[in-house]
Amino acid sequence: QSVLTQPPSASGTPGQRVTISCSGSSSNIESNTVNWYQQFPGTAPNLLINSNNQRPSGVPDRFSGSKSGSSASLAISGLQSEDEADYYCASWDDSLDGVVFGGGTKLTVL
Amino acid sequence: QVQLQESGPGLVKPSETLSLTCTVSGGSVSSSNYYWNWVRQPPGKGLEWIGYIYYTGSTNYKPSLKSRVTISVDTSKNQFSLKLSSVTAADTAVYYCARVDVSSGYFGAFDIWGQGTMVTVSS
Repeated sequence: QSVLTQPPSASGTPGQRVTISCSGSSSNIESNTVNWYQQFPGTAPNLLINSNNQRPSGVPDRFSGSKSGSSASLAISGLQSEDEADYYCASWDDSLDGVVFGGGTKLTVL
Repeated sequence: QVQLQESGPGLVKPSETLSLTCTVSGGSVSSSNYYWNWVRQPPGKGLEWIGYIYYTGSTNYKPSLKSRVTISVDTSKNQFSLKLSSVTAADTAVYYCARVDVSSGYFGAFDIWGQGTMVTVSS
């Protein structure tokens, strides 16, 4: 059972906009920043969004992040087949004094 | 460009100690801007943070693993290491080392990851 809650799966067709939610609590998302990672099978995760809504260099602007209260969302617009991957949210948790991850969302491009 | 590379045995017997090393190239573990972390991922499952070390030797571990985990740093070799004692099959996972930027005064994101190394716990 992960501290941050994500839907296990999401899907969309090419060109669509999809969102992935990440629900936490006052000790993590509400009081700390949220980061998002993209992971393809057999490879290491890659930073996609940091500090709630900042895209690292090289990340397409199709990817965007937002946070409100104790929840965060990752949005992918203009969905492409190469976006098919697992997505994880993460945040610092003040109560646990450590990093917590969501359980991950498997995105399928139909 | 900073790169991280994990190394260590791919097979560990139950009750023994898992030992892994992460070698940092293109950067320095002695930098005051970063925490150096270990994260693991059991087969088919999600990511789990294990802990981090700062160049000063200061550490922080996931509470549920704290009694079994030791992370150390060797600045002369530009490496940091993970030891996990009394392993069981539940510790079978891909183990990643990863860097976190703390220059903004808070725990940032894992911005650089190693490729990961699979460790199987089995007799």
